Amino acid sequence: KNEVEQSPQNLTAQEGEFITINCSYSVGISALHWLQQHPGGGIVSLFMLSSGKKKHGRLIATINIQEKHSSLHITASHPRDSAVYICAAFQGAQKLVFGQGTRLTINP
Amino acid sequence: SQTIHQWPATLVQPVGSPLSLECTVEGTSNPNLYWYRQAAGRGLQLLFYSVGIGQISSEVPQNLSASRPQDRQFILSSKKLLLSDSGFYLCAWSRGGPEGQFFGPGTRLTVL
Repeated sequence: KNEVEQSPQNLTAQEGEFITINCSYSVGISALHWLQQHPGGGIVSLFMLSSGKKKHGRLIATINIQEKHSSLHITASHPRDSAVYICAAFQGAQKLVFGQGTRLTINP
Repeated sequence: SQTIHQWPATLVQPVGSPLSLECTVEGTSNPNLYWYRQAAGRGLQLLFYSVGIGQISSEVPQNLSASRPQDRQFILSSKKLLLSDSGFYLCAWSRGGPEGQFFGPGTRLTVL
């Protein structure tokens, strides 16, 4: 069992739908990172959070430290949101442990 | 603003050949630097990280090595590539703070 598990592994939805991607971790962490990887491979940092909730545009990330669970939500999804979304847990200051990623496809 | 560069963007190398991938960061000083690999169909794996010039920590045993000759330069090397070294190599930097890590554009390496 991976230390960081994401679900679902693949998600296909229609434009406009509300999207939820889940991340559970089994290790003690100092913070959690949500990343977006585009088809060309480039990775963009979306959120870094250690408690509560953060919002940026149509993206919302939440974390529940007690339950060791985080979610990434996308409201009013758009085809340009299609990408692989990766959650990564910070163990200490340096080490990131990555989930396997969720491949999201938004159809027009 | 800070930017991170990696080159080359793509590389095709024969088995047994040497490797040198370079990563440089602009717009910040004394960053933490990281090398990651993403094998086909798999998640990202931390290979090396560095908190300062000449300071390298290795996360997994392999035939790769890393060096940090200058504050904002991080180099990934191999003397003899293996087929299993194929993958997507990403460099990242951070200040070690709450903003997280920032990734370079990556190098796609194919070993034939």
